[in-house]
Amino acid sequence: DTGVSQNPRHKITKRGQNVTFRCDPISEHNRLYWYRQTLGQGPEFLTYFQNEAQLEKSRLLSDRFSAERPKGSFSTLEIQRTEQGDSAMYLCASSRGTGGSGELFFGEGSRLTVL
Amino acid sequence: GQNIDQPTEMTATEGAIVQINCTYQTSGFNGLFWYQQHAGEAPTFLSYNVLDGLEEKGRFSSFLSRSKGYSYLLLKELQMKDSASYLCAVRDRAGGSYIPTFGRGTSLIVHP
Repeated sequence: DTGVSQNPRHKITKRGQNVTFRCDPISEHNRLYWYRQTLGQGPEFLTYFQNEAQLEKSRLLSDRFSAERPKGSFSTLEIQRTEQGDSAMYLCASSRGTGGSGELFFGEGSRLTVL
Repeated sequence: GQNIDQPTEMTATEGAIVQINCTYQTSGFNGLFWYQQHAGEAPTFLSYNVLDGLEEKGRFSSFLSRSKGYSYLLLKELQMKDSASYLCAVRDRAGGSYIPTFGRGTSLIVHP
């Protein structure tokens, strides 16, 4: 049983460049979440998918951020024209739709450093 | 949205008991989670409470009072490996989506 997989694990980029992160959730999970975490803070919600539909998006998320989940399987998070303030750990999590507590299973994260 | 408050840092001695508190404000409460996060790693699920009372799981227990907007995580027989950040997360059903919102975490330092 594989867990949530994210890649790349680390990304260093120059300000103004575009970056894309990929998340492969646990196969039977239909809910997928993206969070961002900076040092000393808890994960901050970015966006949520149920199957292929993007149902929630944080008001804090600028237009430079876009996420997709084609076919309700893997998801991508793209950041355009990166800024130094985008430097953070980007966490993907998945959960079951029904039954149980619906706890989130997190991937190892993709750490972004914008120079 | 939610307003989740937990202490920034706590210290405790190996073998002792520690209680980490979490208070929250929400309009559509639908469950509270505790996660453990070691430095540089992903959060891992510890416990879930949706009804009032105590849930026990080995050395870890979690308590919830919905009327008070209050939860705590109790760690017994502390071990050095318990040094980590402990995240309280509240799930809200506002808007029809059930999305957990996390507090900033409590950094627990266990010393010999």
